[in-house]
Amino acid sequence: AQSVSQHNHHVILSEAASLELGCNYSYGGTVNLFWYVQYPGQHLQLLLKYFSGDPLVKGIKGFEAEFIKSKFSFNLRKPSVQWSDTAEYFCAVSAGSSASKIIFGSGTRLSIRP
Amino acid sequence: KAGVTQTPRYLIKTRGQQVTLSCSPISGHRSVSWYQQTPGQGLQFLFEYFSETQRNKGNFPGRFSGRQFSNSRSEMNVSTLELGDSALYLCASSRPGLAGGGNEQFFGPGTRLTVL
Repeated sequence: AQSVSQHNHHVILSEAASLELGCNYSYGGTVNLFWYVQYPGQHLQLLLKYFSGDPLVKGIKGFEAEFIKSKFSFNLRKPSVQWSDTAEYFCAVSAGSSASKIIFGSGTRLSIRP
Repeated sequence: KAGVTQTPRYLIKTRGQQVTLSCSPISGHRSVSWYQQTPGQGLQFLFEYFSETQRNKGNFPGRFSGRQFSNSRSEMNVSTLELGDSALYLCASSRPGLAGGGNEQFFGPGTRLTVL
């Protein structure tokens, strides 16, 4: 069964700092990878997704993620964070013939100091 | 285009009761998935319905069930509620796609269930 690990439970950064959130998954076959964000009091929304092709994926609000197949990783990056990026971030994977079944990581809470 | 809607938004029940939650997907979306979100367990997949059929199922006891109607609206039911069922229940819809596709899921605001 596939699983997703997010290494950082809570990250605190100052504005303009660079961000990298780790995500590793376990599954040997073809995967679809996602990063979702949940801003305080708001719905879960998609930041970016990887299905195939270029392993460097660009999403909304300046976020990007790189799929490294050999490392089973899909880390999320942003060169310069803003206070408005304060949110919980979830890495997720779906795989194979169960592509509509999405397995989420435990989430990383990001706090940005103004 | 209207987003995914869930009703009710908040619900308080007592142990042993049953509850039914409703989800209306985005127009044109035929796949509806349900998730349970708790502080301790995070987001856990319950099940997914497509064209009125359960297509995928997570690792939850049989007390958790669902169904989908011909208009793609979905309901989930939890019987014999336990304290541990207190959670935010999220519904997500996606466009029709092949089983191997990785369609983006759009999430609703959730139903906050409290079991006393």
